[in-house]
Amino acid sequence: DSGVTQTPKHLITATGQRVTLRCSPRSGDLSVYWYQQSLDQGLQFLIQYYNGEERAKGNILERFSAQQFPDLHSELNLSSLELGDSALYFCASSVGAGFGYGYTFGSGTRLTVV
Amino acid sequence: AQKVTQAQTEISVVEKEDVTLDCVYETRDTTYYLFWYKQPPSGELVFLIRRNSFDEQNEISGRYSWNFQKSTSSFNFTITASQVVDSAVYFCALSEAGDNNNDMRFGAGTRLTVKP
Repeated sequence: DSGVTQTPKHLITATGQRVTLRCSPRSGDLSVYWYQQSLDQGLQFLIQYYNGEERAKGNILERFSAQQFPDLHSELNLSSLELGDSALYFCASSVGAGFGYGYTFGSGTRLTVV
Repeated sequence: AQKVTQAQTEISVVEKEDVTLDCVYETRDTTYYLFWYKQPPSGELVFLIRRNSFDEQNEISGRYSWNFQKSTSSFNFTITASQVVDSAVYFCALSEAGDNNNDMRFGAGTRLTVKP
């Protein structure tokens, strides 16, 4: 157990729907990162939050949004889902906000859009 | 531009063979970190090592060893006496001081299959 908890582990939904992925970071970690892993794109950085504030944005679509709550857990919201959004979504946490800290990853949420 | 290149898409070896996974990175920063992660069939990403750009000492941890060479921008990973449990996808990643995004750039991964 890495200490980073992601729920649900699996999600199957239809195109056009909206889903919410949840992440609880490792105890003491203030940063949360979201990554998407698809077969053709590899591991792509989506967004980072640090202590409740958005810190950095990567290749996140406008249909996707995220937030980090006062208890530091984070949610990734995916809306108007398309078949191409099917992927493994990882949450990772680190103690600091800057580079070099290294991440602890959760076990991921496998999203299948049908 | 590809920051981290793992040229080996798939490698297959027989148990007890040694295997080296290559990683070549690209950065203009003098301060950066390199990482290796393992993704077994179960899917989670497991941290293996972190190395900063000022520390070129090679590292050994059990059957695992890492060779960091700044002159060739490489951070290769060797598994000695491979075992079936080593079968996984291995990712090399780069984190740069000058990267405003603070994110980690991953290579495409190398799928290692160790056959009994």
